[in-house]
Amino acid sequence: GAVVSQHPSWVICKSGTSVKIECRSLDFQATTMFWYRQFPKQSLMLMATSNEGSKATYEQGVEKDKFLINHASLTLSTLTVTSAHPEDSSFYICSAEPLPGTGRGVDNEQFFGPGTRLTVL
Amino acid sequence: QQQVKQSPQSLIVQKGGISIINCAYENTAFDYFPWYQQFPGKGPALLIAIRPDVSEKKEGRFTISFNKSAKQFSLHIMDSQPGDSATYFCAARGFFGNEKLTFGTGTRLTIIP
Repeated sequence: GAVVSQHPSWVICKSGTSVKIECRSLDFQATTMFWYRQFPKQSLMLMATSNEGSKATYEQGVEKDKFLINHASLTLSTLTVTSAHPEDSSFYICSAEPLPGTGRGVDNEQFFGPGTRLTVL
Repeated sequence: QQQVKQSPQSLIVQKGGISIINCAYENTAFDYFPWYQQFPGKGPALLIAIRPDVSEKKEGRFTISFNKSAKQFSLHIMDSQPGDSATYFCAARGFFGNEKLTFGTGTRLTIIP
């Protein structure tokens, strides 16, 4: 299957600082990437849909000024958690869908990254 | 209408047995139903997926059964092994590309010797 990477895999930061998480599709191009957060023993919650070259679409209840998303190229999307607080501590996961006709994935398959564990002290 | 309900929340199965996880949806616009497997500290990985034009799909020990009229689908893991111990999520989405997935609540599966 296609490969999606995330960096960093884990990060610990002080309250009030900003943290940037990168999501890269390593062997395919994706016009759309998705950002999720997952609390312990819970399901994935979609935060936003990231579109290359345009503004992200945020889910209801997600603060767009706090969770800044940039999708600068067909292989890279970044999530910046601004002024992070302990309640932002979570597992952040991205996914990406290959461009149609590229022969990567089937049935509009989305490929998930390995996740980033954020701990805010 | 966007919910996908998943049961059971947790499941313990003896090695060699059959693990069955069920999901139900309401949105008739859903057209793609994947199952994901997630190990602790890792991202989810696609296990198997089905479209509503077939009632069953099998890949190795994993089978999806789909009942369009009841709006239900299930995952069967045959000959369950300790390595299958993980959390399983069902999901659903519309047919067209770049549509968001709606996830079930997850089932924590434990296979005991």
